[in-house]
Amino acid sequence: EVQLLESGGGLVQPGGSLRLSCAASGLSFSNYAMSWVRQVPGKGLEWVSGISGGGADTYYADSVKGRFSISRDNSKNTLYLQMSGLRAEDTAVYYCAKVPSYYDILTVDYWGQGTPVTVSS
Amino acid sequence: QSALTQPPSASGSPGQSVTISCTGTSSDVGGYNYVSWYQQHPGKAPKLIIYEVSKRPSGVPGRFSGSKSGNTASLTVSGLQAEDEADYFCSSYAGSNTLVFGGGTKLTVL
Repeated sequence: EVQLLESGGGLVQPGGSLRLSCAASGLSFSNYAMSWVRQVPGKGLEWVSGISGGGADTYYADSVKGRFSISRDNSKNTLYLQMSGLRAEDTAVYYCAKVPSYYDILTVDYWGQGTPVTVSS
Repeated sequence: QSALTQPPSASGSPGQSVTISCTGTSSDVGGYNYVSWYQQHPGKAPKLIIYEVSKRPSGVPGRFSGSKSGNTASLTVSGLQAEDEADYFCSSYAGSNTLVFGGGTKLTVL
């Protein structure tokens, strides 16, 4: 059974930084691309970033480009999202999600339970 | 990367059918056959119920079906059951290894 467990969320001041982690189990982690998707409570979902199975290729939504950085450590079956220059509008629950292919981010099929990030002074 | 447009709410009585729409553009929904639908119960993570417009993952009841015409995709839930009451989100491939999601539709079973 695929399990994705996010951690690292919390309260941070505007302009601050935070690193999210996602520990994966029940899958051959390096065989799959991964993504981060966020959700403002009571609102829709927003795709944030994606990374290929090997980690060489990364992709970002325009809203976070230049501020967020996605990475992965396949030896630890862990996905990361380094967030800097945080803004109030980045406040959301951040989900780690598995992509059902190595490279092409065409959809996501498994989701973690999410970790909340609040940007406020 | 504009969000896909979904109606905020939909409803139906047990046993009835309900269809939820998801409208995008020729750069996402209309340009690719990679529309997915997700079901999300309160406080839970989203669950994939439809992928590639009309395919169902193993374990998803046949009451859920998907289709697409032009820039609009649709999810139909037939034979509504109480447990179908949830939020439903669509997503589409938007090119260059990016995804776009809809704003979500709250389905109420009357």
